[in-house]
Amino acid sequence: DGGITQSPKYLFRKEGQNVTLSCEQNLNHDAMYWYRQDPGQGLRLIYYSQIVNDFQKGDIAEGYSVSREKKESFPLTVTSAQKNPTAFYLCASSIGGLDTQYFGPGTRLTVL
Amino acid sequence: QKEVEQNSGPLSVPEGAIASLNCTYSDRGSQSFFWYRQYSGKSPELIMFIYSNGDKEDGRFTAQLNKASQYVSLLIRDSQPSDSATYLCAAASGGSYIPTFGRGTSLIVHP
Repeated sequence: DGGITQSPKYLFRKEGQNVTLSCEQNLNHDAMYWYRQDPGQGLRLIYYSQIVNDFQKGDIAEGYSVSREKKESFPLTVTSAQKNPTAFYLCASSIGGLDTQYFGPGTRLTVL
Repeated sequence: QKEVEQNSGPLSVPEGAIASLNCTYSDRGSQSFFWYRQYSGKSPELIMFIYSNGDKEDGRFTAQLNKASQYVSLLIRDSQPSDSATYLCAAASGGSYIPTFGRGTSLIVHP
C-alpha cells in the first residue's frame, strides 16, 4: 500500500524533553511538510522540504528541527525550546510544487 | 501576508439538502485551490482540487472558482450525515508553492 505513515499516534512529553515524530512516505514524492493544528485553528506550517538534504522554515519553526537525509523520511524534533508544544502534528507530502498534498494520520503530542 | 478566509460555522443543513461552503483568498497569484475534509480527531483528506475558473464536478461535489472575485466554493449535493466534518480550503501560488490553509468550516448534516 502506498501512503504516508506517522508514528507514534499519541505521544506524551515531560517538560524539558526533546521528542522526535516520525514521518515516512512510499509515494516517491519529492516534497514533504510538517504542520501543527491547534483546536479550532487551521494548519500552520512548521518546516518543509522540496528535495533531499534541503529544508526551509515555515511560519512557526521556532522550537522545532527537522532533517531530510532520505527521500522517504522527514522526522520532526520538538525541542524543549518549544514553549507550548501540545498539539496535533500532521505530516504531508506532494509530488512537488503546486501539486496536491496528501496527509499522514497525525501524531497527537501532549506535554505533561 | 497571504490569507485564506472561511466562515467557521457551524453550517447546519438537513439531510438531502445542498451544502454550500465558501472561501476567499488574498493572494491574486494563487493558482491551485484545494478542498479537504477533516473528521474530528483525524487528518485532512482531499475532496477536490481546481485550477481553472468555472466549475468542476466529482460525484456529489462541485468546486467553483472565480479568480476575478478571489472566491472558491464547494457545493455538496444530497448531503448525508456522514458529510458532517470540518472542510478546509487551501490556496497555493506559483511563488511559494506552499498552500495557505483556511481555518475551516464546520458542517453539520442533521437527519
